[in-house]
Amino acid sequence: KAGVTQTPRYLIKTRGQQVTLSCSPISGHRSVSWYQQTPGQGLQFLFEYFSETQRNKGNFPGRFSGRQFSNSRSEMNVSTLELGDSALYLCASSPRGGDRFEKLFFGSGTQLSVL
Amino acid sequence: KNEVEQSPQNLTAQEGEFITINCSYSVGISALHWLQQHPGGGIVSLFMLSSGKKKHGRLIATINIQEKHSSLHITASHPRDSAVYICAVSDTDKLIFGTGTRLQVFP
Repeated sequence: KAGVTQTPRYLIKTRGQQVTLSCSPISGHRSVSWYQQTPGQGLQFLFEYFSETQRNKGNFPGRFSGRQFSNSRSEMNVSTLELGDSALYLCASSPRGGDRFEKLFFGSGTQLSVL
Repeated sequence: KNEVEQSPQNLTAQEGEFITINCSYSVGISALHWLQQHPGGGIVSLFMLSSGKKKHGRLIATINIQEKHSSLHITASHPRDSAVYICAVSDTDKLIFGTGTRLQVFP
């Protein structure tokens, strides 16, 4: 079974631009969650989707958004990029989503650099 | 004060040593997770537990709900155990992470 796939692996953008990151969960997994990891703040929860609906959201500004498609693939978008958005963005999928953070399977992440 | 505290922040050990990493939390939780992150970023979920104790190979995780404390033990440590170990707690609508413990095991 293929693991969680995130694309692209690396991305360089400039301030003010927007970016879209993609996450394909493990086949059959219906919950996808997104996380930001920086050296200063560590790992922080962004949001979680289940059956195309955002169920939970972390404490991030509205510039961070996401969506989930009917095949459970998910995208996250960051608009008007700031230098502080430079981070490793990770997504994770979980099988049923009944317990919203049951065993998580992580992708390798997208390393975003904002110049 | 962080809602999830881990100790120690850094840990070095000789191969074969018994290792303990601690996690304390101050919020109500539905479950506690132990994650392992190797250089390069990949994260693996080691355990998810809401009570008692779980064991997988050389890894043992325990949780004391009353004391709001969990420990991750590694028996007979090996250099391949070198990684960052992250504790996270979940409630109904969010996941909160500790800052991680960096473990280095030397041959």
